[in-house]
Amino acid sequence: DQQVKQNSPSLSVQEGRISILNCDYTNSMFDYFLWYKKYPAEGPTFLISISSIKDKNEDGRFTVFLNKSAKHLSLHIVPSQPGDSAVYFCASLFANYKLSFGAGTTVTVRA
Amino acid sequence: DAGVIQSPRHEVTEMGQEVTLRCKPISGHDYLFWYRQTMMRGLELLIYFNNNVPIDDSGMPEDRFSAKMPNASFSTLKIQPSEPRDSAVYFCASRSNEKLFFGSGTQLSVL
Repeated sequence: DQQVKQNSPSLSVQEGRISILNCDYTNSMFDYFLWYKKYPAEGPTFLISISSIKDKNEDGRFTVFLNKSAKHLSLHIVPSQPGDSAVYFCASLFANYKLSFGAGTTVTVRA
Repeated sequence: DAGVIQSPRHEVTEMGQEVTLRCKPISGHDYLFWYRQTMMRGLELLIYFNNNVPIDDSGMPEDRFSAKMPNASFSTLKIQPSEPRDSAVYFCASRSNEKLFFGSGTQLSVL
């Protein structure tokens, strides 16, 4: 039962342009949503989070938007850089411990 | 801070052998999680501990899997006997507030 879905397995974007990653969820009872970035042969690295009571959180080049009515979450990266090429996972935190991950989106930033 | 430390990075073993994966969480983090990543199922939670006590092991696939946390700075995940379908990357993570910090993982191959 995948409660968090990332429907785009891959995204290719030109360096300097905006990357937009999307995530949908089913359970409205989540406490937080988080985005993780993963390079090959490394563990996922925390990127940014948003509380379920907010609709936007920004940290440098990364902004996460939460649309509760649509049960939709998105991550914007602007401007995209070659080092952003990685797999990005969205995750939901429920009951203060249960982190459910999406399947991931592979981002490729073209020079 | 060295982050979450896992060992070994790679493990190749034969079917039927016992495998032990090790994890040292970040000092001061009172939650520890074991995840498994496969192509088919993505990142799935196996078990988590709070203050060294196992809280939820419902994700442990079967009795061949066991996990312990004898103290706040060490945890093990054991598979006995191992089977080829156990081949995956196993991640340990510890938690601060809503953020999980992952180790680099153990790539397990059971032949």
